[in-house]
Amino acid sequence: GAVVSQHPSRVICKSGTSVKIECRSLDFQATTMFWYRQFPKQSLMLMATSNEGSKATYEQGVEKDKFLINHASLTLSTLTVTSAHPEDSSFYICSANPGLAGRDTQYFGPGTRLTVL
Amino acid sequence: QKEVEQNSGPLSVPEGAIASLNCTYSDRVSQSFFWYRQYSGKSPELIMSIYSNGDKEDGRFTAQLNKASQYVSLLIRDSQPSDSATYLCAVNSGGSNYKLTFGKGTLLTVNP
Repeated sequence: GAVVSQHPSRVICKSGTSVKIECRSLDFQATTMFWYRQFPKQSLMLMATSNEGSKATYEQGVEKDKFLINHASLTLSTLTVTSAHPEDSSFYICSANPGLAGRDTQYFGPGTRLTVL
Repeated sequence: QKEVEQNSGPLSVPEGAIASLNCTYSDRVSQSFFWYRQYSGKSPELIMSIYSNGDKEDGRFTAQLNKASQYVSLLIRDSQPSDSATYLCAVNSGGSNYKLTFGKGTLLTVNP
């Protein structure tokens, strides 16, 4: 149980384009989902907390107009990197929390590796 | 500011030995504690959660929690080369959004 998927697993795009990443909880409903970014050999950095049906809460320093988050259902959250630039190249990982059933455990998706040329 | 501290390592142990990973946290009201394993180039994978003082065992893994001293540890018995990874300690200090504070991780290398 507690499986989280992400799509795509890898994306290469040109500078200036927008990229959408999907995060799905496959066997549970996720009241809260989280989006992280990880640069090579660095620690996880929380970008935002996403709650179903409400606006995401962004961490300090994360541009909400650049990283658009939509949590339209209890099993799906999307992250759109708008007008991507090479410095946005990173490993983007989502996690999902089952709510009361799983207390505060976060289950991670496999990640999406974004390369912006 | 809530902080979670881990020795970055690398921690190197021979195959079959016990690996001991430690973590301290700053927020005294922290309630939930997690250990994740992250292989290079992969996303974190949950190993164990612990909520009460004492030990919690799951196979070769034992998590230990001491809230008075504000530390949590992970012991890996009979370490295998496949255990070589970065181990992340994560802490939830409460609140309704279930946000976790992660340490920077300890790199463990198990030598055959």
